[in-house]
Parts: sequence; structure tokens; C-alpha cells
Amino acid sequence: AAGVIQSPRHLIKEKRETATLKCYPIPRHDTVYWYQQGPGQDPQFLISFYEKMQSDKGSIPDRFSAQQFSDYHSELNMSSLELGDSALYFCASSLNRGYSNQPQHFGDGTRLSIL
Amino acid sequence: KQEVTQIPAALSVPEGENLVLNCSFTDSAIYNLQWFRQDPGKGLTSLLLIQSSQREQTSGRLNASLDKSSGRSTLYIAASQPGDSATYLCASYGAGSYQLTFGKGTKLSVIP
Repeated sequence: AAGVIQSPRHLIKEKRETATLKCYPIPRHDTVYWYQQGPGQDPQFLISFYEKMQSDKGSIPDRFSAQQFSDYHSELNMSSLELGDSALYFCASSLNRGYSNQPQHFGDGTRLSIL
Repeated sequence: KQEVTQIPAALSVPEGENLVLNCSFTDSAIYNLQWFRQDPGKGLTSLLLIQSSQREQTSGRLNASLDKSSGRSTLYIAASQPGDSATYLCASYGAGSYQLTFGKGTKLSVIP
């Protein structure tokens, strides 16, 4: 079965650079979520989109932005990168139809390292 | 704000043993609860989802229960195998929320 695809798998950047992470949800899924997992930490919710509109917002820094496109893929844009942004970034998708009661399926993540 | 706690933080058992992982949450008005497995440096694999109207879900050797009144969920693993070694996380949704709040996980080691 198709899963959530994230690219790239690994990304190395320097401080103050920008990065773009991409997420391709499971076909027909209408909701995309982004999470950040620091070393030894539990995943923290950043932001979600339902039918291309922002549906919920968590602890996403102002330096980050995200959007969901017409084909339902999503991109997380990160600017002015800081050492503390080094983490595993997960994308998840679900088929909600407007209800938050469906399981979220996670991708393998993008490991971002800031030098 | 929802807080999710998992105890113990780590657990080591011999192969073949049955075991229980615990998850507690502060806000009983959860919408549902999801259990995940995470291998080192890998993504999160969804194991079971329990909706707020349900009391338990089963998948193979896994059984998850939910008691909203006590703010607890348990994940029961029968006849553990070395391949079950991983970190297990529980996470809950609040009503009307799209975000999962995670516990810090229980790291399980099954010794052959």
C-alpha cells in the first residue's frame, strides 16, 4: 500500500540558510500534518492543512511557513535556520472528511542537520 | 492543555513474555487515542487507533484499551518477540483538534 512520502530524507544546512521539506500524502487523503521531533524528544505538532486550508497550528516558529497544494502535497519552508532546528521532521496524512477521528499515517521523516 | 505520560520509560523482558505498556492523559475529553511504534531513527508506524466511543481495539498480538474516566490507555503485547523491540508512543487528539499530543514513549527491549 502507498505510504506518505517525504523528501529529502536527509538535509544538511548551515545557520541562517533556508530549507524546504516536501510531503506527498497517501492518495485520497485530505489532511496533512507536520511534526518536529528533537533528539530524544517526543514529536511536537507544528501545523496541519485540511483541503488546502490551514486547519490547526501548534508550536511552529514564525520563521517557518507551510502550505498544501492543489494535488494535496505539502511543503514546509524554513528560513533563518538555527542550530536548534536540527531535528527529525515528520509529515503525516489522514482521510478526515472534516472529522479528527481518523488515524494519522506518518512518513519516514526528513532529518535536518544545521551546522 | 493535554499532557500525555507513559510509564515506564524503558522496559526489558525475555522473549515470549506478555507485557503491558501504560499511557495516561490529563484531559478526559479526548477524541481518540493512537498507539505508534518507532524504530531508532525511523518514522512512526501506526499500530492501533481507539475512538472515544470504543473501549478497546485488537490487531494480531496487540490489544489496546481506553478508559476515559480514569484517563488511561494500555497496550498489551502477547508472546513478545525480539522484533517487537522499539519505542512505543501513545498520542491523543482533543475534540475538534487536528493535532496529536504525544507521550515520551516506552523503550521496549525483548531479549532472545
